[in-house]
Amino acid sequence: DVKVTQSSRYLVKRTGEKVFLECVQDMDHENMFWYRQDPGLGLRLIYFSYDVKMKEKGDIPEGYSVSREKKERFSLILESASTNQTSMYLCASSSASLGNTIYFGEGSWLTVV
Amino acid sequence: AQSVSQHNHHVILSEAASLELGCNYSYGGTVNLFWYVQYPGQHLQLLLKYFSGDPLVKGIKGFEAEFIKSKFSFNLRKPSVQWSDTAEYFCAVSVSSGSARQLTFGSGTQLTVLP
Repeated sequence: DVKVTQSSRYLVKRTGEKVFLECVQDMDHENMFWYRQDPGLGLRLIYFSYDVKMKEKGDIPEGYSVSREKKERFSLILESASTNQTSMYLCASSSASLGNTIYFGEGSWLTVV
Repeated sequence: AQSVSQHNHHVILSEAASLELGCNYSYGGTVNLFWYVQYPGQHLQLLLKYFSGDPLVKGIKGFEAEFIKSKFSFNLRKPSVQWSDTAEYFCAVSVSSGSARQLTFGSGTQLTVLP
C-alpha cells in the first residue's frame, strides 16, 4: 500500500509565524502535491513537484512556498501565517507508472490565531 | 482548463435507499475520471477510477460509476446505502495526456445516511 505521511495532524500557530508542514511518501513517486481543503470549495492545488528540486505553482500559491530536496519529502511553508490560511492541508503523491492516481495523506489541520 | 461540477452539496438518505451522485466535467478531450471518498476523520481514499474501456466502472464497497461521454458525466451509484457510507465524496478529472498537475476536483458532496 502507498503510504503518505504528514508529520503534524493538528497545529495552532499565531499570525505572522513561519509554519512548516512536512510530508513523506514511501513509494518512490515522482509527483507530490499540496492541496488545501475548505468547506464548499473542495480541494484546491497550492503547489506540486514533479521531481527533486522542481516545483510548479498550483491554483492558489500566494502566501505559500515549497521545498523538495529529496524525492520522498515535500514541505509546505507558510512564510507569515495569516488567519485566512486556517484550513485542512493535504499532501499527496502519484506516479505516471500508476496512471497518475493520486494518493493522499491524512491531512494537517492548521489553525492560525 | 477543465472544471468539475458536483451539483448536490448535501444528500441525506435512509439506509437501503439507492444513491446517485452527479458529476459533470467540462473538457473536450480525453479524460481520466476518479471518485474519492473521505470518511469522518480519515484521509481521502480512491473509490474508483475510469481510464478507458468499459464505461461502467466498479469500485470498492459496492460503488459503481458510469462514464457517459456525450453528457460529460461520471455519476456515482450504489443500489443500497449503509450507515457506514456517510462521508464526503469528491469527483475528480484529469487530462489523460497532460501532466499529473491537471487533476481538478469538484467541490464535494456530503452524504449522510440515517440508520
